[in-house]
Amino acid sequence: EAQVTQNPRYLITVTGKKLTVTCSQNMNHEYMSWYRQDPGLGLRQIYYSMNVEVTDKGDVPEGYKVSRKEKRNFPLILESPSPNQTSLYFCASSRQGGGYSLSAFFGQGTRLTVV
Amino acid sequence: AQKITQTQPGMFVQEKEAVTLDCTYDTSDQSYGLFWYKQPSSGEMIFLIYQGSYDEQNATEGRYSLNFQKARKSANLVISASQLGDSAMYFCAMREAKLSNFGNEKLTFGTGTRLTIIP
Repeated sequence: EAQVTQNPRYLITVTGKKLTVTCSQNMNHEYMSWYRQDPGLGLRQIYYSMNVEVTDKGDVPEGYKVSRKEKRNFPLILESPSPNQTSLYFCASSRQGGGYSLSAFFGQGTRLTVV
Repeated sequence: AQKITQTQPGMFVQEKEAVTLDCTYDTSDQSYGLFWYKQPSSGEMIFLIYQGSYDEQNATEGRYSLNFQKARKSANLVISASQLGDSAMYFCAMREAKLSNFGNEKLTFGTGTRLTIIP
């Protein structure tokens, strides 16, 4: 079954404690992206990757890091989480160069709370 | 200016009635795609329907149709014969094909409309 898998689904952590949210897809997609969803703001792009070792900032990259060492995995790293990073996070993937007609496959979401 | 505007934060609709969720967009691109996603209370994002900027016919997928009015830059989602399971958050999104953003297959989302179906 084609899917994007995020872990964990829920996470409560304390300010400053480094964490990683994993994302893995089984569709051999080149393009992967992270979004955060906040009430009243919709989903906003954090980082994206066009292929292995190719990553770039989205609209709200501050406080986040990513890496793309393998095609299937695209982890999101919060080196020093702060309460304003409390949010619902989504990983998404799609074929690269699929054009504007291509929808994205989304993971199930990770609800992060930083206290 | 907002690229995607959803002006209805919340809607209540009687079961079996049709419902229209509004979406207007802003782009200078000629080529773009418009999407609707459903987010139930469990949180996942479910793709519903797609409309391309060059498509002359309005998209339909089962009970979902997209009322595309290009000159008005609107892409409203119509759900016919609503069901209790349609209660969810609905997001309109756009993907542009502009060269300045080449390689970033980004979806730009609206703020969403929370739809509640009343039995």
